[in-house]
Amino acid sequence: DIVLTQSPGTLSLSPGERATLSCRASQSVSSSYLAWYQQKPGQAPRLLIYGASSRATGIPDRFSGSGSGTDFTLTISRLEPEDFAVYYCQQYGRSPETFGQGTKVDIK
Amino acid sequence: EVQLVESGGGLVKPGGSLRLSCAASGFSFSSYSMNWVRQAPGKGLEWVSSISSGSSYIYSADSVKGRFTISRDNAKNSLYLQMDGLRAEDTAVYYCACTRGWLQPPGANVDYWGQGTLVTVSS
Repeated sequence: DIVLTQSPGTLSLSPGERATLSCRASQSVSSSYLAWYQQKPGQAPRLLIYGASSRATGIPDRFSGSGSGTDFTLTISRLEPEDFAVYYCQQYGRSPETFGQGTKVDIK
Repeated sequence: EVQLVESGGGLVKPGGSLRLSCAASGFSFSSYSMNWVRQAPGKGLEWVSSISSGSSYIYSADSVKGRFTISRDNAKNSLYLQMDGLRAEDTAVYYCACTRGWLQPPGANVDYWGQGTLVTVSS
């Protein structure tokens, strides 16, 4: 199984600041089948990024994804109040499709 | 409008059974593979099981293998999860989801999630 390790566990930042979230895979993720999701309390996950760097429909351009192989990054260029949430990376290139443990972005 | 509506959750004793259902509408259900993903209270997301569009391929997490069975009825646009031998650690919100994945047809541009149904396993 591909294990995804996200860091940091919690990121405390202020609105307007830049957030950089990391996702490291235990094996290479095939064809960059790497996604990033945002989840708020009581809600289903919302897709932000797929294919490591493609923004999903309707996602603001302050969200960007990069990386390949085993190292991936989600960057939020300027945090808006609605961006404080938990973020998960997911690899969907092979079974089992695994998620990282999540990074919580909270207000400093 | 795409909708995935889960039902069938509830309180069940350890060792008991439940059958979750997911009613799909607003997209071509029979064309895509489907998944169940769960989330224990206060924890992260865990993939549970996937089924291909025509039910030919089924994959399940080791944690549920031999206890949970995924199935679908394309005529009814419905996805199911039969859960037997339930354990306390199966307590979670269960999401029905149609997402990108290696089982999807090439170029599939999908990411649909239900709102989830809570399964609580407790005596």
